[in-house]
Amino acid sequence: EVQLVESGGGLVQPGGSLRLSCAVSGFTFSNYWMSWVRQAPGKGLEWVADIKPDGSQKYYVDSVKGRFTVSRDNAKNSLYLQMNSLRAEDTAVYYCVKKFDYWGQGTLVTVSS
Amino acid sequence: QTVVTQEPSLTVSPGGTVTLTCASSTGAVTNDYYPNWFQQKPGQTPRALIYSTINKHSWTPARFSGSLLGGKAALTLSGVQPEDEAEYYCLLNYGGWVFGGGTKLTVL
Repeated sequence: EVQLVESGGGLVQPGGSLRLSCAVSGFTFSNYWMSWVRQAPGKGLEWVADIKPDGSQKYYVDSVKGRFTVSRDNAKNSLYLQMNSLRAEDTAVYYCVKKFDYWGQGTLVTVSS
Repeated sequence: QTVVTQEPSLTVSPGGTVTLTCASSTGAVTNDYYPNWFQQKPGQTPRALIYSTINKHSWTPARFSGSLLGGKAALTLSGVQPEDEAEYYCLLNYGGWVFGGGTKLTVL
């Protein structure tokens, strides 16, 4: 059974940092592109970042470039999202997604003073 | 900035057929945009329905189908069920990915 479990969300002040993690199981993690997708409260879905299976290529939505960094550890079956210089508009549920077929349950990030 | 546009809302009767569309601000949507479709019900995680324009996942009900229609990606539901009431999102690839704003489908 494919499972993706996010962690690391919480309340952070504007300008602060958080690191999200996603632990996966049930598939060969090192074979797949992985993504982060977010959803602000009451809003639609927004793609945030992609990472190639070997981690050699990464893509970001313009609004997070230079602030967020996606990474992975294939030995630990884990995906990460380092989020720096957080803004109120980054408040959202962040989903870890396998090649857009399987989704985690999400972790809530709230940026507020 | 690339914008992906979907109908904000649609209403369909149970047993009926409805087509949701997904347009790109850059022009006609083609298979090269690898259109994906997702369903999200209130309080739930999005569920993938269609990938690469027409392909269904193993869990996608047969009544859902994807296509290209008039320069747009399209999701057609045939024989709509009450449980199909949900928000539907399309997703297109431009190097990075862009979601549409979503279509709220009401079954009434």
